[in-house]
Amino acid sequence: GENVEQHPSTLSVQEGDSAVIKCTYSDSASNYFPWYKQELGKRPQLIIDIRSNVGEKKDQRIAVTLNKTAKHFSLHITETQPEDSAVYFCAAIDSGTYKYIFGTGTRLKVLA
Amino acid sequence: DAGITQSPRHKVTETGTPVTLRCHQTENHRYMYWYRQDPGHGLRLIHYSYGVKDTDKGEVSDGYSVSRSKTEDFLLTLESATSSQTSVYFCAISDRASQETQYFGPGTRLLVL
Repeated sequence: GENVEQHPSTLSVQEGDSAVIKCTYSDSASNYFPWYKQELGKRPQLIIDIRSNVGEKKDQRIAVTLNKTAKHFSLHITETQPEDSAVYFCAAIDSGTYKYIFGTGTRLKVLA
Repeated sequence: DAGITQSPRHKVTETGTPVTLRCHQTENHRYMYWYRQDPGHGLRLIHYSYGVKDTDKGEVSDGYSVSRSKTEDFLLTLESATSSQTSVYFCAISDRASQETQYFGPGTRLLVL
C-alpha cells in the first residue's frame, strides 16, 4: 500500500522568504497529490493539488512540483506572510484502494 | 466551505460509554470518510463509505463502527470509548474516489476520561 513521508516536521522562515515542504510516496501508480493547510483549531483546507500528468502547478504565491521518477512532490510558498503560518499536509492516493494517505504534517512559522 | 457539518463539536465522556458522532452533508457526494487527527500522526482513516450502506475499514478501525443509511449522513460510533480514542475527529466528503478533492468538516473534539 501507499506510504507518504513528509519533511520537515517544523519550518521557520523570515517573512518574505520562501518555504519548501517535501513529500515522498511509495506507490508508483499514485496519480493525485493534494496539499492541505490547517490553521489552529480549524479544518484542513485544500490549497493546491497536482495530477500525475503534469510536473508543476502554480497558484499565485503557491506552487507544487511533482517528480514521478523519484516519487516525490514539493510545496513551494514564495514571499511568505504571517498568515501562511499553519500546519501543511501532503497526501497521495493509494492506487489500489483510492484511499488518501496523509503525511504527518509540517508546522510552518513565518517570523515577522 | 463545502456543506459539511459535524455534531457534536465537542464532547467529554467516560471510559466504557458508547459515543456516536454525526457527519451531515448537503453536497450529495457519494464518498464519505472519518479520520482521526493526533499529534505526530497526521490524519488517519478510520472508516469510509462509498454509498448508502456501503462501508469499508481504514487503517485504524479497531473499536469503531460506522453506518450510512442516507446519502447525507455518516455516523461514527465508538462502541466502548477508551482514553486512546481521545482525539479530533474529522469527516470528509468527495464526489469520486480517484483524483478527487476531499473536503473536510469542522471537526469534533472528543475527550475520553
